[in-house]
Amino acid sequence: SQKIEQNSEALNIQEGKTATLTCNYTNYSPAYLQWYRQDPGRGPVFLLLIRENEKEKRKERLKVTFDTTLKQSLFHITASQPADSATYLCAPDNYGQNFVFGPGTRLSVLP
Amino acid sequence: DTEVTQTPKHLVMGMTNKKSLKCEQHMGHRAMYWYKQKAKKPPELMFVYSYEKLSINESVPSRFSPECPNSSLLNLHLHALQPEDSALYLCASSQEAGISTGELFFGEGSRLTVL
Repeated sequence: SQKIEQNSEALNIQEGKTATLTCNYTNYSPAYLQWYRQDPGRGPVFLLLIRENEKEKRKERLKVTFDTTLKQSLFHITASQPADSATYLCAPDNYGQNFVFGPGTRLSVLP
Repeated sequence: DTEVTQTPKHLVMGMTNKKSLKCEQHMGHRAMYWYKQKAKKPPELMFVYSYEKLSINESVPSRFSPECPNSSLLNLHLHALQPEDSALYLCASSQEAGISTGELFFGEGSRLTVL
């Protein structure tokens, strides 16, 4: 069956460092992959989408890579700030047939 | 501010009550979704509507009954719920379902407590 894993349930890093979050998937081949941010008690907010034919995507301090051979996406936040503390969810998707999220990584950026 | 509006924000109901959650979007999106989220877990897909027709039902118990009266509205009717159904219920919309168009827009959710 299809499975999505994110590297760790929780990740603590020091302010100013680069946070790297991992999303691995098995038993399917998503056409694209999305990353979302969720704050406690609120709905997820879209951050970035990367397609299977794209190796890398950037948006301000965010960078996403997509390796279809490794079946993995990496999500980087450079120069991290306490305001970046949130849960980050990946969603590999096969043309929107079943929009399923990974378990999420709870990131804490310590001042 | 989110462009997907959910009401009510909080709902407390007994196991014999009938209530409804409502969701509205005015972005012209043709796909709408219901998700259920328990504490420290990711959102879990329940239903997908595409062009006002139910396209995905992820084996959700019949005590949850979705309805899509028109392209802007999505309801979730609740009846005879159990305490374990207490959760944050999230509505989302996207331009289309079934093609890789882009993001989901989520509402802020309805926090449901079943006593």
